[in-house]
Amino acid sequence: DAGVIQSPRHEVTEMGQEVTLRCKPISGHNSLFWYRQTMMRGLELLIYFNNNVPIDDSGMPEDRFSAKMPNASFSTLKIQPSEPRDSAVYFCASRDINTIYFGEGSWLTVV
Amino acid sequence: DAKTTQPPSMDCAEGRAANLPCNHSTISGNEYVYWYRQIHSQGPQYIIHGLKNNETNEMASLIITEDRKSSTLILPHATLRDTAVYYCIALTQGGSEKLVFGKGTKLTVNP
Repeated sequence: DAGVIQSPRHEVTEMGQEVTLRCKPISGHNSLFWYRQTMMRGLELLIYFNNNVPIDDSGMPEDRFSAKMPNASFSTLKIQPSEPRDSAVYFCASRDINTIYFGEGSWLTVV
Repeated sequence: DAKTTQPPSMDCAEGRAANLPCNHSTISGNEYVYWYRQIHSQGPQYIIHGLKNNETNEMASLIITEDRKSSTLILPHATLRDTAVYYCIALTQGGSEKLVFGKGTKLTVNP
């Protein structure tokens, strides 16, 4: 298995633009997580899904952030409009019964 | 999830064993102890987990006290590539709850 696949790996965008981050979980995993990491706040859980259903989105910072999981093999995290303070590394992770596996992250810079 | 506490930083000489402690005094009976690490700019990497018995794999050993209130991750022969932030987390298996990271221990392996 290729592991959790995220795209894009790096993105630089201008303030106000829409950003869409994508994630392909490991096949057969039934939970998916989106995290954000910054120097100041560390690893923060934004939202997680179980069987494609959002279970807890209390970590989503504001209405500019939205996440979807239309099927078991794909999820998106969208920021609209983006702001400089959204600059961070965004990680996607998926879970089987025993273990959670992380992707390599999407590095977002909003200028 | 049970709250875990870890020292913020540790140093270890290359080739020596690195022993990373974690306190989880409020862990419940069905919660496993998981260890992850994050090497700079990469996604968190699963290392090992256990319930009450000591565990060993190709990466590390996990020693859990009999009362399960604390554990130690052991890297038997630390290398420079083991320099990373190590996270100890308590989590049930097969559940749908979220994986929340604390600040972890920054391990620096010195030549």
